[in-house]
Amino acid sequence: GAVVSQHPSRVICKSGTSVKIECRSLDFQATTMFWYRQFPKKSLMLMATSNEGSKATYEQGVEKDKFLINHASLTLSTLTVTSAHPEDSSFYICSARRYLGTGDSPLHFGNGTRLTVT
Amino acid sequence: GESVGLHLPTLSVQEGDNSIINCAYSNSASDYFIWYKQESGKGPQFIIDIRSNMDKRQGQRVTVLLNKTVKHLSLQIAATQPGDSAVYFCAENRAYNQGGKLIFGQGTELSVKP
Repeated sequence: GAVVSQHPSRVICKSGTSVKIECRSLDFQATTMFWYRQFPKKSLMLMATSNEGSKATYEQGVEKDKFLINHASLTLSTLTVTSAHPEDSSFYICSARRYLGTGDSPLHFGNGTRLTVT
Repeated sequence: GESVGLHLPTLSVQEGDNSIINCAYSNSASDYFIWYKQESGKGPQFIIDIRSNMDKRQGQRVTVLLNKTVKHLSLQIAATQPGDSAVYFCAENRAYNQGGKLIFGQGTELSVKP
């Protein structure tokens, strides 16, 4: 099946530093990837849509200068949390859609990155 | 804004019983829906999907029902097992011209008692 790999799984950083999270589609090409954020006991909140070769599309209320997204290839998207603050601590999850050519298909998710900012 | 929501935040069932998890959606233009299972510390795992031209779809031990009239979705798990304990989300897929985004509902935490 479609596999999405996310790295790192956990990261602890100090306030003011930047953290990069990688998302890779291992066995398929993904022209579009999606980044979500999840707080404890809460649902997944879509942050942005990452488009290969073009700028990401951010959801309302998400700071594009703080959450930098790069989608340089068909198998890799990165999310960089810049100048991290404790309130950025969260579970970040990426996903990708494997198009089957037969209409809609589900998103496949990575296993998330637990970011803790101290 | 519009969102996909769930009726109950928690559900506790006895092992072997059937589980029913409900979901209400508000975007009548949505035509594709997915159920995901999320275990603690992991990403969502695809369970089953359904398109709006169907009202029922069955998988292995799972069935999804779609009622477009009242914008309601449900997931039925037969013979629930301890390994089914997790949070279940329904997700609504927005049309391509709306970004093809997947919007998640609130989630229901399923606990299976042995």
